[in-house]
Amino acid sequence: EAGVAQSPRYKIIEKRQSVAFWCNPISGHATLYWYQQILGQGPKLLIQFQNNGVVDDSQLPKDRFSAERLKGVDSTLKIQPAKLEDSAVYLCASSSTGGRGGPLHFGNGTRLTVT
Amino acid sequence: AQSVTQLDSQVPVFEEAPVELRCNYSSSVSVYLFWYVQYPNQGLQLLLKYLSGSTLVESINGFEAEFNKSQTSFHLRKPSVHISDTAEYFCAVTDYTGGSNYKLTFGKGTLLTVNP
Repeated sequence: EAGVAQSPRYKIIEKRQSVAFWCNPISGHATLYWYQQILGQGPKLLIQFQNNGVVDDSQLPKDRFSAERLKGVDSTLKIQPAKLEDSAVYLCASSSTGGRGGPLHFGNGTRLTVT
Repeated sequence: AQSVTQLDSQVPVFEEAPVELRCNYSSSVSVYLFWYVQYPNQGLQLLLKYLSGSTLVESINGFEAEFNKSQTSFHLRKPSVHISDTAEYFCAVTDYTGGSNYKLTFGKGTLLTVNP
């Protein structure tokens, strides 16, 4: 089966600019996650979708970050305006089991550098 | 909410030596536990998981981990490492997010460097 697809792989922007990341999960996976991985740290959940509904966005900085999964398939994560501390790898993952027991399948990530 | 502690941020070892990467989690309730591996510029790949049953779980490339409920630990071991095992290893635990949904909470990772 095709894996989780993410684009772009790399992005360099200046602070205060906006940026968007795209994710296409494994076909049929209802649960989609966006994680932020800052250098030297483990991935931290930003937002979790079940189909097109938000399950958990408690750690999403809502003043600058937004995400949508309008048709319950692919998803977009946006940052506007970006700050230096947003430099990180943004990982998308999907699951067929809602995350209980079954593994999360990760994409290769988008590496964002904010200058 | 769950938390995961990986006690060692970096572990350097020589090729063919044994290695143990330590992981402790916070909750005493039933949990599912995972080890993921991340090679440079790649996403996370599942290495092994504990859901239930035997407390010793194995991966296809020689790693094993043992679930210890009393010590809330899930340490990863390999009796003889190869240079190709050089990567970052993350321990993770399921964390309930509502309804029938769960997320993974990760530790900070351990960078395993295997030297010739």
